[in-house]
Amino acid sequence: QVQLQESGPGLVQPLQTLSVSCTVSGGSISTGGYYWSWIRQHPGKGLEWIGYIYYSESSYYNPSLKSRVTMSVDTSKNQFSLNLSSVTAADTAVYYCARVVIDYFYAMDVWGPGTTVTVSS
Amino acid sequence: ESVLTQSPATLSLSPGDRATLSCRANQSISAYLAWYQQKRGQAPRLLIYDTSNRAPGIPARFGGSGSATHFTLTISSLEPEDFAVYYCQQRSHWPPLTFGGGTKVELK
Repeated sequence: QVQLQESGPGLVQPLQTLSVSCTVSGGSISTGGYYWSWIRQHPGKGLEWIGYIYYSESSYYNPSLKSRVTMSVDTSKNQFSLNLSSVTAADTAVYYCARVVIDYFYAMDVWGPGTTVTVSS
Repeated sequence: ESVLTQSPATLSLSPGDRATLSCRANQSISAYLAWYQQKRGQAPRLLIYDTSNRAPGIPARFGGSGSATHFTLTISSLEPEDFAVYYCQQRSHWPPLTFGGGTKVELK
C-alpha cells in the first residue's frame, strides 16, 4: 500500500526558506484521482492545511500562506515538495504530507509520520 | 472561509461508553466533511469521509452523521485504543480546506 515519508532540515534560520519533501512509496504519484497535500501542526495545537498539488502541477494554497508557499512535484523521484519562504518562529511546527482522495470528497487517507521543523537562529 | 467548531473540547469517558462528538460549521458544507483520529505523537488517521462513510479498515463502532451545518461522530462503545484527539475537516468552501479545533476523548 501507499506510504509517505517526509524529509526536512529540522532547523531553519529566520527569514530563510523552509524546504521539505515527501517521498511516495508503494504507488505512483502520477496516478490520477489524488492530490498531494501539506498540513502543519503547531506545538500543542490543531491542524492547518497549507495546500495541495496534482501530479500535473496544478496547485491550490491556503490564502493565509499563499504569498510564501510554493509546491512542486518530481514524478521521476515520486516526490512532492513544499517551499515556505521568509519563515519566522510562527512557522515552527510538525509538517505532514498526505494523499487527498478526490473520490473521498477530498479527504486525506494516507499520511506521513511528520517532520518537525524549528525556526530559530 | 468555513469555520468548524468542535464540542466539547474534552470528553471524559470510560471504556464501553458511547462518545458523541459535535462539529458545527458557520455555513452549510454539504457532504465534504471528514473525521480524523490523532494519537499523541502520531499523524492523523482518516476515520470517516463524505459525512458518514467509514474509511477502509475502520471499525464499525465509528459512525458519522449530519448535514448542512451540524455533524456528529459517534463511537458506539469506546475501546482503550480510542482515547485520542478527533478532528473534523471540510472542503466544501475552499480554499482553504479547514479543520476544527479538535475534541480530546480522555479516560475518566
